Amino acid sequence: GESVGLHLPTLSVQEGDNSIINCAYSNSASDYFIWYKQESGKGPQFIIDIRSNMDKRQGQRVTVLLNKTVKHLSLQIAATQPGDSAVYFCAENKGGYSTLTFGKGTMLLVSP
Amino acid sequence: EPEVTQTPSHQVTQMGQEVILRCVPISNHLYFYWYRQILGQKVEFLVSFYNNEISEKSEIFDDQFSVERPDGSNFTLKIRSTKLEDSAMYFCASSDVARYEQYFGPGTRLTVT
Repeated sequence: GESVGLHLPTLSVQEGDNSIINCAYSNSASDYFIWYKQESGKGPQFIIDIRSNMDKRQGQRVTVLLNKTVKHLSLQIAATQPGDSAVYFCAENKGGYSTLTFGKGTMLLVSP
Repeated sequence: EPEVTQTPSHQVTQMGQEVILRCVPISNHLYFYWYRQILGQKVEFLVSFYNNEISEKSEIFDDQFSVERPDGSNFTLKIRSTKLEDSAMYFCASSDVARYEQYFGPGTRLTVT
């Protein structure tokens, strides 16, 4: 079936580096994508979202890029900090209030 | 900042017992969801709820599961006869009318022994 998946299970970076977390999706009907951060023992925390009519969206220190041609989503974190260490999930939905389909997750480890 | 809350934080139950997991969504939100996450795996959708009825449910959400909004603030997930494989973190989420973002609660860890 169609699914959302991640290329890298673990990403280790140094404090101050820029981090890029990638996600592949296969559901061409999806028109809304979200990145969540999940710290140990906590629920997913919304980071940033993007709709399919955009290819880039920026937040505070984070940027999401969407490439619909190759069905690829990425999260860029600028000047990564130890507090950014967490599991990052991409999720997709078909718009409106429908369900979110989550990817498997990437663990980001930031060393001081 | 408003947040979704869930109780209890950890529930231990014996196989075959009924459990009720409770959630208080963000107050002006109208769409409610339950997800679960088995240890080390991805978050999986269970059910969505709007206007006092289920709007979508997954294959996981079988006859052993039910949801209810018993009053104006609580949203509950009931598992009638728990199985070992129901052990997981259960997350409640909510979203409002005008925005898509689903805001998640801290989760309830359910352990079935």
